[in-house]
Amino acid sequence: GAVVSQHPSWVICKSGTSVKIECRSLDFQATTMFWYRQFPKQSLMLMATSNEGSKATYEQGVEKDKFLINHASLTLSTLTVTSAHPEDSSFYICSARGPGTAYEQYFGPGTRLTVT
Amino acid sequence: AQKVTQAQTEISVVEKEDVTLDCVYETRDTTYYLFWYKQPPSGELVFLIRRNSFDEQNEISGRYSWNFQKSTSSFNFTITASQVVDSAVYFCALSEANSGYSTLTFGKGTMLLVSP
Repeated sequence: GAVVSQHPSWVICKSGTSVKIECRSLDFQATTMFWYRQFPKQSLMLMATSNEGSKATYEQGVEKDKFLINHASLTLSTLTVTSAHPEDSSFYICSARGPGTAYEQYFGPGTRLTVT
Repeated sequence: AQKVTQAQTEISVVEKEDVTLDCVYETRDTTYYLFWYKQPPSGELVFLIRRNSFDEQNEISGRYSWNFQKSTSSFNFTITASQVVDSAVYFCALSEANSGYSTLTFGKGTMLLVSP
């Protein structure tokens, strides 16, 4: 149990365009979802935390107008990178937790974004 | 503030050697969880263990073992008889009760290279 999926697994987009990444909890209700970014050979950095039905809470230094997060249902959160630039190229990982997961965060497989 | 330090950036061993990955943490909270994750080249985080701050018993799972010592704020991870498939980046992480366990602070990771 406690499976989290992400779509797409990788995406290439042109500079200036927007790209949406989906994170789904497949077999549990995710009241909270987290979005992380990982640059090559670096650790995971939390970007934002979203609770279902509420606005996301962004970490310091993360532009909320650039990284739009929507958590409209208990099984789906989306991250939209708006007006993407090459420096946004990174590995984006979501995680989710909910009632019954005992504070455990379950991670998705990640999405590799390349902006050309 | 919480902090996780993995001082070893990269470790190289030959197959069948034992290897210990170090993790030192800082927290003001008395209640917290410690985690180890494995990140193979595919990128997906693989959960290895979660340890409650009140449980200092060492844990063994097959070739993996963990040594939790609150006195030195360390949670070290040992792989015995390493195998090539153990090659990955390993992250230690901390989650505090004060944050509702909502914030996972990761160390910078240790890349383990196991050669045949």
